[in-house]
Amino acid sequence: AQSVTQLDSQVPVFEEAPVELRCNYSSSVSVYLFWYVQYPNQGLQLLLKYLSGSTLVKGINGFEAEFNKSQTSFHLRKPSVHISDTAEYFCAVSGEQGSILTGGGNKLTFGTGTQLKVEL
Amino acid sequence: GAGVSQSPSNKVTEKGKDVELRCDPISGHTALYWYRQSLGQGLEFLIYFQGNSAPDKSGLPSDRFSAERTGGSVSTLTIQRTQQEDSAVYLCASSLEAGTYYEQYFGPGTRLTVT
Repeated sequence: AQSVTQLDSQVPVFEEAPVELRCNYSSSVSVYLFWYVQYPNQGLQLLLKYLSGSTLVKGINGFEAEFNKSQTSFHLRKPSVHISDTAEYFCAVSGEQGSILTGGGNKLTFGTGTQLKVEL
Repeated sequence: GAGVSQSPSNKVTEKGKDVELRCDPISGHTALYWYRQSLGQGLEFLIYFQGNSAPDKSGLPSDRFSAERTGGSVSTLTIQRTQQEDSAVYLCASSLEAGTYYEQYFGPGTRLTVT
C-alpha cells in the first residue's frame, strides 16, 4: 500500500519570501510523484511530476521539487512567492504495481494538503 | 478547448434520497477518474474508467455508490439512499490515455450536501 504524508496543514509566508512544502511518501514499489494546486472553488491543477530521470523537477509558476529516494521525500519549493500563490497544495503518488493491478489506470493517492497563505 | 465539466456545481439533498452527479471529460480522453474530497478523509480515489469499462472500482465506499460511462464520454456517479457522511466535493478527472505518463485534468467538482 502507498501513502503520502504532508506534515504541515498550513504554511504562512510573506510575499517574496522562499517557501518549502514538505511531502513524504511510503511505498514498496517504484513510485511516481506529483504536486497539485487547488485554488479556491476550482479543481486541481498539476504543478509538476516526477516519473524518472533527473531528481530535480521544475514545474509551472516557478515551483520545483526534488525527489529524494533515501529520505522518501518530494518537497516542493519556490524561491520567492507571490500573493497569487495562496492556495492549497496536494502531494500525490501512484505506483507501477498499482497501475498493473488497476488495469493500467493511474490511481492517485493524495496527502491531506497544505494550505499556503501568502501575506503582504 | 473546453476542460472537464461537472454538473451540478452544488447539490443539496435530503438524507435517504438518490443523487446523480455528471462528468463531461475532455473530448477524446479515454480514461476517466472519480475522486471524493471530504473534510474527514481528504482526497480519495473512487473509480476509474477506461473507455466504458471500469477496471478499478476499489475506492467505492459502499454498494450505495455506482458509476457508469456511456459512449466512452460522459460519466455519471450515482449515490443511492444518501447519508450525511456522503457530504463532500466529488471531483472528476480525465486523461488522454490511462497510465502514469498522461496528466489527469480535473473538473471543478460537485459539492454535495446531505441534510
